[in-house]
Amino acid sequence: NAGVTQTPKFQVLKTGQSMTLQCAQDMNHNSMYWYRQDPGMGLRLIYYSASEGTTDKGEVPNGYNVSRLNKREFSLRLESAAPSQTSVYFCASPGQGYTEAFFGQGTRLTVV
Amino acid sequence: SQQGEEDPQALSIQEGENATMNCSYKTSINNLQWYRQNSGRGLVHLILIRSNEREKHSGRLRVTLDTSKKSSSLLITASRAADTASYFCATDASSYKLIFGSGTRLLVRP
Repeated sequence: NAGVTQTPKFQVLKTGQSMTLQCAQDMNHNSMYWYRQDPGMGLRLIYYSASEGTTDKGEVPNGYNVSRLNKREFSLRLESAAPSQTSVYFCASPGQGYTEAFFGQGTRLTVV
Repeated sequence: SQQGEEDPQALSIQEGENATMNCSYKTSINNLQWYRQNSGRGLVHLILIRSNEREKHSGRLRVTLDTSKKSSSLLITASRAADTASYFCATDASSYKLIFGSGTRLLVRP
């Protein structure tokens, strides 16, 4: 039982390049989230998916797109990376009733 | 702006002392949660308190919630060096969203 798995763990992009961050959960949860965390800061919600087939914007959605491929997988895409998107990205999935959220180990992204 | 704001931003205490951190939020909630983050790692859930609860305990952790003041506090008793981490509150501010505060960085000196 791996919980929440994110790939890759590290990535360096050049400005303007695109990439997709992958997230998968094996807990049969309905909801999944993507957050970003800048140095010394809290987590800011980028997008979330309350259930398979639905996605909604969070606090900071600009520059990102998401896909809820199926119940297990929720991907985050940067179409044209910018240095301001340098951050650590976390995927999370809360349990039933929005109780404990389980987090992946994060993707450290640097855009140069 | 973020739903939750922790206070203080940073806290340094001696091992064995108690650590108290506070969280204020802006809108009505169903529950409030506290998480811990070790440097560079994912967050780990510590405790959840529902809006109709006023106090909850889990081991050395004590959480209080005052919905009239829209605030919560996390008390860690008899702190240990291993408690050094960042602590975040999180609220379900609106349907399905789990919003985190800015965090308190706790340093426990041996």
